Amino acid sequence: NAGVTQTPKFQVLKTGQSMTLQCAQDMNHNSMYWYRQDPGMGLRLIYYSASEGTTDKGEVPNGYNVSRLNKREFSLRLESAAPSQTSVYFCASSERLRNLGTEAFFGQGTRLTVV
Amino acid sequence: GQQLNQSPQSMFIQEGEDVSMNCTSSSIFNTWLWYKQDPGEGPVLLIALYKAGELTSNGRLTAQFGITRKDSFLNISASIPSDVGIYFCAGLTASGNTPLVFGKGTRLSVIA
Repeated sequence: NAGVTQTPKFQVLKTGQSMTLQCAQDMNHNSMYWYRQDPGMGLRLIYYSASEGTTDKGEVPNGYNVSRLNKREFSLRLESAAPSQTSVYFCASSERLRNLGTEAFFGQGTRLTVV
Repeated sequence: GQQLNQSPQSMFIQEGEDVSMNCTSSSIFNTWLWYKQDPGEGPVLLIALYKAGELTSNGRLTAQFGITRKDSFLNISASIPSDVGIYFCAGLTASGNTPLVFGKGTRLSVIA
């Protein structure tokens, strides 16, 4: 039972480089999310996808783009990485966005450093 | 922005002590969730609450959904070293179509 799988686990980028963080879930969940975690800030929502074919901005979307490739996969792209994007990124999924089934299940995270 | 106020930010306790942490909001919530994050890992769901007044236990953990629907607390009884980690509350507001919001976490340290 893999649950939510994120790749890579660690990444170092130079300022201005681009990269895509991959996320896949095998629980047949409709909704998927990307969060970033910074010390003292908790988990802040970057983007989410309520269902296949839809994406919406969260609390901190600037500097990121997302693609809901299919029901299983939700990727996060940094087009031009900045040091302020140094963080731990978590992908999560849930059965649905609202009401029962909203409990989110998390991947193990991607630790990104931008130098 | 963040709508949940979680306290305390951090706690240092002796092994065997009981722990209590809480989350409050100015908004009404339909769902409260409590997560634990171990170092280097993603958050793991501990308890889910769906009804005002609901009291739910999971082993040594007990959580309650406040009657006003604006707060929730988590208690850990007889703490052990493996309770160390960051505990997050998360909630789903009653209005709108936005996903879960998270508190900033309570960092728990247990001294053996």
